[in-house]
Amino acid sequence: DQQVKQNSPSLSVQEGRISILNCDYTNSMFDYFLWYKKYPAEGPTFLISISSIKDKNEDGRFTVFLNKSAKHLSLHIVPSQPGDSAVYFCAAGGTSYGKLTFGQGTILTVHP
Amino acid sequence: EPEVTQTPSHQVTQMGQEVILRCVPISNHLYFYWYRQILGQKVEFLVSFYNNEISEKSEIFDDQFSVERPDGSNFTLKIRSTKLEDSAMYFCASSEALTGGKLFFGSGTQLSVL
Repeated sequence: DQQVKQNSPSLSVQEGRISILNCDYTNSMFDYFLWYKKYPAEGPTFLISISSIKDKNEDGRFTVFLNKSAKHLSLHIVPSQPGDSAVYFCAAGGTSYGKLTFGQGTILTVHP
Repeated sequence: EPEVTQTPSHQVTQMGQEVILRCVPISNHLYFYWYRQILGQKVEFLVSFYNNEISEKSEIFDDQFSVERPDGSNFTLKIRSTKLEDSAMYFCASSEALTGGKLFFGSGTQLSVL
C-alpha cells in the first residue's frame, strides 16, 4: 500500500533550527491529513491535522502545509528542540470509519 | 490526561494458539480501533468498531480475527489460531468523533508468535 509515502527515513537537525518533514500521497479522495509522533515503547500521539479544504494549519511550533495539486504535505517544526526527537508519521483519512493510512515514518533527531 | 490502556505489553504464544489482546479506551470515547505494525513496516489499520459492531475492517482482518466490547470499559482483539506472520505490535485506539483522524493510541501489545 503506497498511498501515503514518506521518502526520508531520517532527518537530523540542530536545536533551534527548522525541521521539515515531508509526505506524499496518491489518493485524491483523502479528506484530512495528520501528523503523529511516536516515542519508543509508546503508541503514536496526535500532533496536528489539516483538512483537505485548507492549505495551512498552525499550532504553536508546529505548522502543517498542504499542497493538493502536488499531493504533498509537510510538517514544519520551529524552533526544533531535543525533545522533538521521535518518529513522525504522516497519515491520511477519508470517509471510511476512522481508517487512517500511514506513511512509513521519518526518524527526527534534534541535536543540542 | 486520560489515556488508552493496553494489556499485556508483551505476549508470547505458540503458533496455532488463541490470544486475546485487551484494551481500555478513554471513557467518553465511542469509536474504537485496532491497528498493527509489523517490524519495519507501516502502521496498518485492522478494524473500527462503533455501537457494538464493526464499522469497517481491512483485508488483513480475516476470519481468524474478532473484536468484542464485553462490558462498558474493555475492548478486545482475539486471534483464534495465531500464525507466525501475526507477530507485530498491536495498537488499540479510540476517538470521540468518527472522522477527523484524531485517534488516541495505547502503548501497544508486542505479540510474538513462535
